[in-house]
Amino acid sequence: AQTVTQSQPEMSVQEAETVTLSCTYDTSESDYYLFWYKQPPSRQMILVIRQEAYKQQNATENRFSVNFQKAAKSFSLKISDSQLGDAAMYFCAYLPVYGGATNKLIFGTGTLLAVQP
Amino acid sequence: SAVISQKPSRDICQRGTSLTIQCQVDSQVTMMFWYRQQPGQSLTLIATANQGSEATYESGFVIDKFPISRPNLTFSTLTVSNMSPEDSSIYLCSVVLGYGSPLHFGNGTRLTVT
Repeated sequence: AQTVTQSQPEMSVQEAETVTLSCTYDTSESDYYLFWYKQPPSRQMILVIRQEAYKQQNATENRFSVNFQKAAKSFSLKISDSQLGDAAMYFCAYLPVYGGATNKLIFGTGTLLAVQP
Repeated sequence: SAVISQKPSRDICQRGTSLTIQCQVDSQVTMMFWYRQQPGQSLTLIATANQGSEATYESGFVIDKFPISRPNLTFSTLTVSNMSPEDSSIYLCSVVLGYGSPLHFGNGTRLTVT
């Protein structure tokens, strides 16, 4: 069974600094997608960034970038120039692709990020 | 992206009663899902809402407890039946717009059972 592990329950970063959130996953599939979602106190799940497993190039989205290591099954999120609004729970998620059809999302346990002014 | 409206946003219910949560999407979507997020926990998939047929439930979730309807491609409901305090959670509706696209979520329903 596929699993997603986030080993850091909580992280803290100073405003304007850089922080990296870790995520590892376990799968025997070669084709899948990986995501980072952000959940602020409003509880809205917001997509931060997405990575296709077949792409070697790491995805970037403004201040957010990932380090995708397929062989190591690692998918970390780097937040540069951290802002107070980045404070939230961050979830790593894995989406298997079976026979070309998307399937259910598997979430990690989350990392609570605090941003210190 | 899609605009997903979920109602109610929160509710406080008595033990033994039932609550129906509605999810309305502003466009037709193939796949809709219902997730539960218990306090301080990650998201757990309850079921896939299938249009025109019975929902597909994950292990640990049963239709009698969480009946789901999906009468068309833009609307679904989740009922939490015979509630107990252990059902206190955030319930989230989500949709997939197409192949390889990420899940988009509604704002969630915060349920407290007393």
